[in-house]
Amino acid sequence: QSALTQPRSVSGSPGQSVTISCTGTSTDVGGYNYVSWYQVHPGKAPKLMIYDVTKRPSGVPDRFSGSKSGNTASLTISGLQPEDEADFYCCSYAGKYTWVFGGGTQLTVL
Amino acid sequence: QVQLVESGGGVVQPGGSLRLSCEASGFKFSSYDMHWVRQAPGKGLEWVTFIRFDGNDKWYTDPVKGRFTVSRDNSENTLYLQMNSLSPEDTAVYYCARDHTIDYMDAWGKGTTVTVSS
Repeated sequence: QSALTQPRSVSGSPGQSVTISCTGTSTDVGGYNYVSWYQVHPGKAPKLMIYDVTKRPSGVPDRFSGSKSGNTASLTISGLQPEDEADFYCCSYAGKYTWVFGGGTQLTVL
Repeated sequence: QVQLVESGGGVVQPGGSLRLSCEASGFKFSSYDMHWVRQAPGKGLEWVTFIRFDGNDKWYTDPVKGRFTVSRDNSENTLYLQMNSLSPEDTAVYYCARDHTIDYMDAWGKGTTVTVSS
């Protein structure tokens, strides 16, 4: 159960777009369309941003979008806003009732 | 609204035990599978354990197998995590999260902090 690989940090200016990658294997990211993304602000509960690779829960702005190609999933945030600054984690179902998270990516809005 | 509130964290010596609780409200707790997820200082999120809605089936990440036990009391809307033989590597914020048919975790608590130190 190795952690999924994410860049440690990404940054962008307000209004720009950023993409966070999440690389796994054929037994997790590549094997299931069960990739989700969570936004974590310090001291707060993680918030679901994307589920089932591309779907957005109600209340999440359409600036957030997800995709997947092979063993790599991606989260794209367009039209960056200051309040988007947070840590983001991907998560994939890995079979046999186990899950694996990414190491997390710190998003800085310059 | 859906709310999950963890409690029971604290400072414990290596080799010690601790029991965490997660009180659920705003939804029919007995119908949902649940997770515990942790985050060590400076590290990413780590899935710890999963329990089915009726408590009959449980799964654990390898580092905690044989030491941690997840359970639930559906009459009290509460999820538990019994942690034994704790080591400094177990130091983390522990979150409970509601499962949505295995594909994602749709509600989380704010977490409770466990520190294992002498």
